[in-house]
Amino acid sequence: ETGVTQTPRHLVMGMTNKKSLKCEQHLGHNAMYWYKQSAKKPLELMFVYSLEERVENNSVPSRFSPECPNSSHLFLHLHTLQPEDSALYLCASSLVHSYEQYFGPGTRLTVT
Amino acid sequence: GENVEQHPSTLSVQEGDSAVIKCTYSDSASNYFPWYKQELGKRPQLIIDIRSNVGEKKDQRIAVTLNKTAKHFSLHITETQPEDSAVYFCAATYGRGADGLTFGKGTHLIIQP
Repeated sequence: ETGVTQTPRHLVMGMTNKKSLKCEQHLGHNAMYWYKQSAKKPLELMFVYSLEERVENNSVPSRFSPECPNSSHLFLHLHTLQPEDSALYLCASSLVHSYEQYFGPGTRLTVT
Repeated sequence: GENVEQHPSTLSVQEGDSAVIKCTYSDSASNYFPWYKQELGKRPQLIIDIRSNVGEKKDQRIAVTLNKTAKHFSLHITETQPEDSAVYFCAATYGRGADGLTFGKGTHLIIQP
């Protein structure tokens, strides 16, 4: 698949579980982002990585931990989540000095 | 920080008519304003964008206008078609790139046959 891919597409986890979301971009971009999309709320920026360095962390709880090992891959590690964390988690990528961001299909997360 | 307000939350138009969605932003430093279309169960897709040094941009049936003084921008869709039905999001950001976008809450556009 080309563009931005995310796995898994659906995830159900208990509050005591640990899981990771994966994002991969095939566009030659060097900036990557995590957004959270909840029902009836705007897309919320969570993290920004530019050239593999975290440049923005929007007051996200520590139970969400991002990792960017290289410019093509981005992870979101999850642990001891709450039911209100259930949402669609979207990854996006762009070139550092370009504004256009391209989104992946998202991971639908349900916390039980 | 930036705050983006989007109206209306739902818009229903007859096929063939025009649709207009409006957004306002709070930070006068914002300089990039994209619009995304998200169909049910799919990813947001960039459909058009405008930068602060331009007042209007058009791409076939879609146009975006920007009023920097009033800090608002609008999406115009002409000759609407059933495939235009989706949720549309406006966003704003400032900087030189690799900055997160601040999104509006979205507009659910319904095209009535």
